[in-house]
Amino acid sequence: DQQVKQNSPSLSVQEGRISILNCDYTNSMFDYFLWYKKYPAEGPTFLISISSIKDKNEDGRFTVFLNKSAKHLSLHIVPSQPGDSAVYFCAASSEGSNYKLTFGKGTLLTVNP
Amino acid sequence: GAGVSQTPSNKVTEKGKYVELRCDPISGHTALYWYRQSLGQGPEFLIYFQGTGAADDSGLPNDRFFAVRPEGSVSTLKIQRTERGDSAVYLCASSSVQGDEQFFGPGTRLTVL
Repeated sequence: DQQVKQNSPSLSVQEGRISILNCDYTNSMFDYFLWYKKYPAEGPTFLISISSIKDKNEDGRFTVFLNKSAKHLSLHIVPSQPGDSAVYFCAASSEGSNYKLTFGKGTLLTVNP
Repeated sequence: GAGVSQTPSNKVTEKGKYVELRCDPISGHTALYWYRQSLGQGPEFLIYFQGTGAADDSGLPNDRFFAVRPEGSVSTLKIQRTERGDSAVYLCASSSVQGDEQFFGPGTRLTVL
């Protein structure tokens, strides 16, 4: 049973527009959420995170929103750039589980020039 | 080195053989995690080390899998009697302390023929 779900396998946007990637989770014990970016033949790279005590965290072009009641988070990238094209993984963890990461299946983002 | 390194980058073996996969974490990082990523899936947790001890091995699929970290730095993931279903990318991640950002290595792609 998948505890972290990314229901969109792929997303295509135009350069300069907003990219919105979505993620849902089922385990209410998760208290820390992260987004990782992955290029082919490389390991995942940390992008941005949010604690369950917050509902928004912003870092430059990247903003993560958390809706705890809906068990839903989203990553907004604005403006999108061609270099943002990669697979984006949503992940969740908790102190009680040694902060091991539970990942979604990923969303392939393609930003077209 | 500056980041997490993993060797070999690729490993092809025959069904039934034994393999060892090595992870060199970032110097000084006490927490080390192993994950496995199968095709079309997100990374899945295998085992977590805090220092030299395996603090959580709940993700190891069966007793053919074993991992060590004898001096609290380099870790080796060992797989006995490999099966075709073990084919995946094996990822290692380290963090300075438990709960901090996990930095991933590039992974070892294991192919069992």
